[in-house]
Amino acid sequence: SAVISQKPSRDICQRGTSLTIQCQVDSQVTMMFWYRQQPGQSLTLIATANQGSEATYESGFVIDKFPISRPNLTFSTLTVSNMSPEDSSIYLCSVGIGGHRNQPQHFGDGTRLSIL
Amino acid sequence: AQTVTQSQPEMSVQEAETVTLSCTYDTSESDYYLFWYKQPPSRQMILVIRQEAYKQQNATENRFSVNFQKAAKSFSLKISDSQLGDAAMYFCAYHERGSARQLTFGSGTQLTVLP
Repeated sequence: SAVISQKPSRDICQRGTSLTIQCQVDSQVTMMFWYRQQPGQSLTLIATANQGSEATYESGFVIDKFPISRPNLTFSTLTVSNMSPEDSSIYLCSVGIGGHRNQPQHFGDGTRLSIL
Repeated sequence: AQTVTQSQPEMSVQEAETVTLSCTYDTSESDYYLFWYKQPPSRQMILVIRQEAYKQQNATENRFSVNFQKAAKSFSLKISDSQLGDAAMYFCAYHERGSARQLTFGSGTQLTVLP
């Protein structure tokens, strides 16, 4: 299995600021995914990040609010922009490993974000 | 669109006993994967077990096994000899084989293990 490192593990931010979350994988993967888990809720896919192309966003999520970078096959970032208390969530990246490249099976430890 | 339903928000089990968590899903596809993930308070999502829809045999991983009923679109997780470390939120998830779309998660079941 892959080792997926996510930074920061948690942060407390002021309203109106932005925070960039990093996801580093110890092997090359085609697709990386970003999820949001609001308090007490299940996971919701924000976007799919492919190396060398624009991220694909799910309904309800837009690039201006959640810009994503994917500069290479082992790294991605998610920025939460102009934060409000409603953005307080756990943000998780995931990757697909092995023969099923487009199938996420492994998650990072998540970033717990609190906005004051 | 695919949906995943977990009808048990909370479950509890006595240590060393067996517990079954329920999951149903809705899809028009015939080839897909189903997963159970565990999320302890540390918030890390841990893959517990996975089932490929075209395989009739139920997947097993040590104390964890599934009862996959494709016609009924049911995918329950059985935990045998429950341990305190099994306490966590358990999520059932669906993925369509070959699709670029990602996991669809159920709402989760919070499992408490009683000593």
